[in-house]
Amino acid sequence: DAKTTQPPSMDCAEGRAANLPCNHSTISGNEYVYWYRQIHSQGPQYIIHGLKNNETNEMASLIITEDRKSSTLILPHATLRDTAVYYCIVRGGTSYGKLTFGQGTILTVHP
Amino acid sequence: ETGVTQSPTHLIKTRGQQVTLRCSSQSGHNTVSWYQQALGQGPQFIFQYYREEENGRGNFPPRFSGLQFPNYSSELNVNALELDDSALYLCASSLDAGRYNSPLHFGNGTRLTVT
Repeated sequence: DAKTTQPPSMDCAEGRAANLPCNHSTISGNEYVYWYRQIHSQGPQYIIHGLKNNETNEMASLIITEDRKSSTLILPHATLRDTAVYYCIVRGGTSYGKLTFGQGTILTVHP
Repeated sequence: ETGVTQSPTHLIKTRGQQVTLRCSSQSGHNTVSWYQQALGQGPQFIFQYYREEENGRGNFPPRFSGLQFPNYSSELNVNALELDDSALYLCASSLDAGRYNSPLHFGNGTRLTVT
């Protein structure tokens, strides 16, 4: 599986957009980019995933660069409840579907 | 749609004992995987079950074993518990192992403490 690099922590003001970057320069053509988040003492929550194209759902948007070496998760209007650890994961290849979690980004949303 | 449920939520065991954790997959999902999350770390893949067989395993010793039942629910068994086994154990379900376009959905885990 491709390795991902994320900043260890980020801050965001409530109501503003939170833009979380992720580098995955060794990603292969058939590997997907997934984003999960984990709020303290809960299981990881699926947010969004994509292969090549940008994706949007009710929670967030995922922007993948044309060379697929990096991506950005966008939470359009962050709330205090969005404070969590956000994991960017590359999934595919020969991993039979497992997720390889790194350290993630701790996003803190301030009032 | 019923999500992934795990039981029990908390458990305290003594070193050397055995433990069984249970997981009910999300409706419509036929693949279950288990993860171990130590304090302050990201989840680590233990193994995955598809069609009642283990079809992938992480770097965990044989004393970690599992089962998947015809209704796709699953059990994680850990024998000869060690202090380092203290962790949050997470179950995730998905549709069709290796179908990378199908997200995994996690339960809220079982917090195991080994004393």
